[in-house]
Amino acid sequence: EVQLLDSGGGLVQPGGSLRLSCAASGFTFSSYAMSWVRQAPGKGLEWVSAISVNGDNTHYADSVKGRFTISRDNSKNTLYLQMNSLRAEDTAVYYCVKVRYSSLSYFDYWGQGTLVTVSS
Amino acid sequence: DIQMTQSPSTLSASVGDRVTITCRASQSISSWLAWYQQKPGKAPNLLIYMASNLENGVPSRFSGSGSGTEFTLTISSLQPDDFATYYCQQYNSDYTFGQGTKLEIK
Repeated sequence: EVQLLDSGGGLVQPGGSLRLSCAASGFTFSSYAMSWVRQAPGKGLEWVSAISVNGDNTHYADSVKGRFTISRDNSKNTLYLQMNSLRAEDTAVYYCVKVRYSSLSYFDYWGQGTLVTVSS
Repeated sequence: DIQMTQSPSTLSASVGDRVTITCRASQSISSWLAWYQQKPGKAPNLLIYMASNLENGVPSRFSGSGSGTEFTLTISSLQPDDFATYYCQQYNSDYTFGQGTKLEIK
């Protein structure tokens, strides 16, 4: 059974940093692209970032480019999102998602989400 | 960037109704479109991929169609479990979600 366990969320002040983690199990993690999607309270889904199977190809939404960094450790079956220079508008539930294939494709499994609150 | 526009934003319907949600892309995305269902407090769930392919385990009352810039999600006979919010997503160039359609009980 595919499982994605998101963690690392919490309360952080504007301008601060946070690193999210996603522990994956139930599939061959190193064979699939991965991504992060967020959802602000009461709002819709917003794609944040994606990473290729070996981590050498990354993509970012314009809203987070230059501030967020996606990475993965295939030896630990873990996906990360380093978030710097956080803003109030980054407040959201962040979901780790598995991509169906090794390249750009749709999302077939989602984590339970971890809440990030940016506030003073 | 590719923009995705869903309509309507809210849809009121009754159990047994046939409903259709529309999603329009700002440029052609061929058939690189997925549909997701989200219930309150839960992560989204994949329904349809490649515009018209039903994900394993999804009831056959759900169907998708379209290509290019215009797509539809149809639920042939609404069941109580279907009242939720639905999102389209393009994956032709990075990813973009539509703003969502909330399906409410009339």
